[in-house]
Formats: sequence, C-alpha cells, structure tokens
Amino acid sequence: DAKTTQPPSMDCAEGRAANLPCNHSTISGNEYVYWYRQIHSQGPQYIIHGLKNNETNEMASLIITEDRKSSTLILPHATLRDTAVYYCIVRRLLAGNMLTFGGGTRLMVKP
Amino acid sequence: DTGVSQNPRHKITKRGQNVTFRCDPISEHNRLYWYRQTLGQGPEFLTYFQNEAQLEKSRLLSDRFSAERPKGSFSTLEIQRTEQGDSAMYLCASSPRDRSAGANVLTFGAGSRLTVL
Repeated sequence: DAKTTQPPSMDCAEGRAANLPCNHSTISGNEYVYWYRQIHSQGPQYIIHGLKNNETNEMASLIITEDRKSSTLILPHATLRDTAVYYCIVRRLLAGNMLTFGGGTRLMVKP
Repeated sequence: DTGVSQNPRHKITKRGQNVTFRCDPISEHNRLYWYRQTLGQGPEFLTYFQNEAQLEKSRLLSDRFSAERPKGSFSTLEIQRTEQGDSAMYLCASSPRDRSAGANVLTFGAGSRLTVL
C-alpha cells in the first residue's frame, strides 16, 4: 500500500471549514483513499473514501487531485466535537483487508 | 444492532496474569479484526478473521497472544503471562462481506483498555 504523509497537528476555529491535507504521491491506479477519525477514548470511525472523483457525504467532503497524489478532507463547518485525530489511509481492494494507520493529524477545533 | 461491542472496557491486572477480551461484531459482518493502540500512536494491526478462519497474523502477535472466533460470530483475544509492555487499548473492528471498496470500511468498537502493573 502507498505511504501517506499528514501534518501532525492543525487548529481550526469553530464554525469554519477544516481542510486536512494528505500526501500519497506513490499511490497506484487501483488504490482508494480512506479517511477515519478517532475521538479521544473511542475507536476509529470511518468518514469517507474515494478513488479519483470527489466525494461528499453527511460528514465530510473528499477532494482528490487529478494526479491522485494528494487529497484533502473537508469538514465544512467544524464543531468542537470534531476535535480528533484524522487518519488518511491508502488501500487496494481485497488486499488482505489490513488497514495500516499512520500517525494521523490531530485536529483541534477551538471556540 | 448497536455496533461492535467489546468487553471488558477496562482491565487492570498484575504482570504474569492471563487476560481475555471479547468482541461481538455487527451480526451481518463476516470479517473481524483486532488492533492494538498505545498512547499517542495509531492503531496497529494484530490479526484478522474471515468467518471462523484466522487469515492474517501480525508479527506483533507473539506466542503469548491467541485469538479465536469459534462459529464465526464473537471473537476472543487472550494474552497469557502479561507483561507491562502489553498495556494498551485493544480494538476490535468488523466489516461486511463485500468485494467493493466497502470491504475496507471497518466499524470499530470502543476498545478494551489493559493496564498491566
């Protein structure tokens, strides 16, 4: 699986959009981008995934660059409850199903 | 269905004792995973079941660790002769029978926190 690089921490003002970047310059054509987050003392929670098109769901939007070497997770109106560690993971389909979590980005939403 | 359930949520034990954690996955999910997470780190993969078959094991899973999933439903993770280095959060996750990208959508439990004194 392709390696991902994320900033270790970010701050965001409550009510503003949080844009979390992820670099995956070695991604191959059949690898998807997945985002999970982990709120303190809870298990990780799936947010969204995509292959090459931008995706949106009730939690977030995922923007993948045309060359697929990077992506951005967007939380459109961050709340204090969005404070968490956000993990970007790149994974092929049916590749043994072992998701590899890196260090993630610790997002602090401030009032 | 209330999601992935893990018990106990917290366990404090003395070094050398055995501990067992239980995971009840989402009922229609046939895949089940165990991860371990230490403070400040991302979750690390331990092992993976498809139905009752244990298909992958990490090098992190030493001889003192054993996981089972009899009948392909709940799973147990046993740690024998615990050491202080085993102190961690043990996370269980499940995912559906799916040959699309949904196969990588894992639902995690809240975890079982182990403290070895």
